[in-house]
Amino acid sequence: EADIYQTPRYLVIGTGKKITLECSQTMGHDKMYWYQQDPGMELHLIHYSYGVNSTEKGDLSSESTVSRIRTEHFPLTLESARPSHTSQYLCASSNSGSANSPLHFGNGTRLTVT
Amino acid sequence: AQSVTQPDIHITVSEGASLELRCNYSYGATPYLFWYVQSPGQGLQLLLKYFSGDTLVQGIKGFEAEFKRSQSSFNLRKPSVHWSDAAEYFCAARFGNEKLTFGTGTRLTIIP
Repeated sequence: EADIYQTPRYLVIGTGKKITLECSQTMGHDKMYWYQQDPGMELHLIHYSYGVNSTEKGDLSSESTVSRIRTEHFPLTLESARPSHTSQYLCASSNSGSANSPLHFGNGTRLTVT
Repeated sequence: AQSVTQPDIHITVSEGASLELRCNYSYGATPYLFWYVQSPGQGLQLLLKYFSGDTLVQGIKGFEAEFKRSQSSFNLRKPSVHWSDAAEYFCAARFGNEKLTFGTGTRLTIIP
């Protein structure tokens, strides 16, 4: 039932490679977010966007970058992957209409850097 | 500082037994409150939310939650759990126009 899509679902990559994690939503939501989640751990907000050409860093410092050129698309890029980047990355979106709008999550990308 | 606390890291219950997962928040006013569930390898799915009105809210999959202002709590309950309820459960709150704050999660294990 997800209207927010993340690709790839799993990625194993070597140290030093550049990677882009894709996130797209079809709900027309203005707000989009990236969370990092280690296994069995809490979610940490690493990036968010409140609209096209708007991006902000989240609560957890991250070496990744994001862009928001289109409303529906919010990719996350790591220029040079390291083993410390191994984690699950969750993308989410929400409607900016009211503060009680919940977040809608994608199924995540599990990244392993060897 | 604003915060969401889930005191139980891991809970184990028998199938068919009742369940209560605890959530407390720290904030001067009533925040917007949410419960999410995360199955292994998946994203988070919204179970229910509260922002005003009736303090007992019904959600999907037979879950309900009760907001208690005096205790700053928003505990999640289910009268009879099923094996498929085994998952990680996250309480979250939005304080004013701030971003959503998540608790650390409670992992639920169901035993036959």
